[in-house]
Amino acid sequence: GIQVEQSPPDLILQEGANSTLRCNFSDSVNNLQWFHQNPWGQLINLFYIPSGTKQNGRLSATTVATERYSLLYISSSQTTDSGVYFCAVGPRETSGSRLTFGEGTQLTVNP
Amino acid sequence: ETGVTQSPTHLIKTRGQQVTLRCSSQSGHNTVSWYQQALGQGPQFIFQYYREEENGRGNFPPRFSGLQFPNYSSELNVNALELDDSALYLCASSLGGVQLQTQYFGPGTRLLVL
Repeated sequence: GIQVEQSPPDLILQEGANSTLRCNFSDSVNNLQWFHQNPWGQLINLFYIPSGTKQNGRLSATTVATERYSLLYISSSQTTDSGVYFCAVGPRETSGSRLTFGEGTQLTVNP
Repeated sequence: ETGVTQSPTHLIKTRGQQVTLRCSSQSGHNTVSWYQQALGQGPQFIFQYYREEENGRGNFPPRFSGLQFPNYSSELNVNALELDDSALYLCASSLGGVQLQTQYFGPGTRLLVL
């Protein structure tokens, strides 16, 4: 099956810093989502971005489907941005909307 | 518009028992997917239901089974619980089984098997 690799696995920032999280995937996809998992386990949708670029406030994401990677940018980080960020993809060859998740990036933003 | 809800929030069972977890999909959604998330790992796909029929299954044994009801809510049943079944169980709803759509996740059920 498709492989999803996220980097870095851990990231520690000072409040106000910028960061880039990366997601590499091993096969063609037609679904890619970024999630933020809060300390209570809730997965919060950030972006549905199988290709192209989107922005939402301090967050933006870019997916280059032909090169099989996606980037999540966090600018002017805040302590509330702490948590685990997951990239999840839906392989092109499967039916339905199952997602394969990466192992996540644990982000800690210190005040 | 109500979001995805799950019950119970927490559950403790002993090895060999059976458990049923419940999920109500977001209003207007007809597809429900279940995921298992072990501590420190990403969620893993268990199965998906679209219009009351199973529409894909991950690498989980048959003792993991499910149902989807006419109102598109869903149940996950796990028989003969094992210690490794301890995890956060997440339900996600979306619109459309074949067409790929954004999935919206519920808050999860934390299952501990002793």
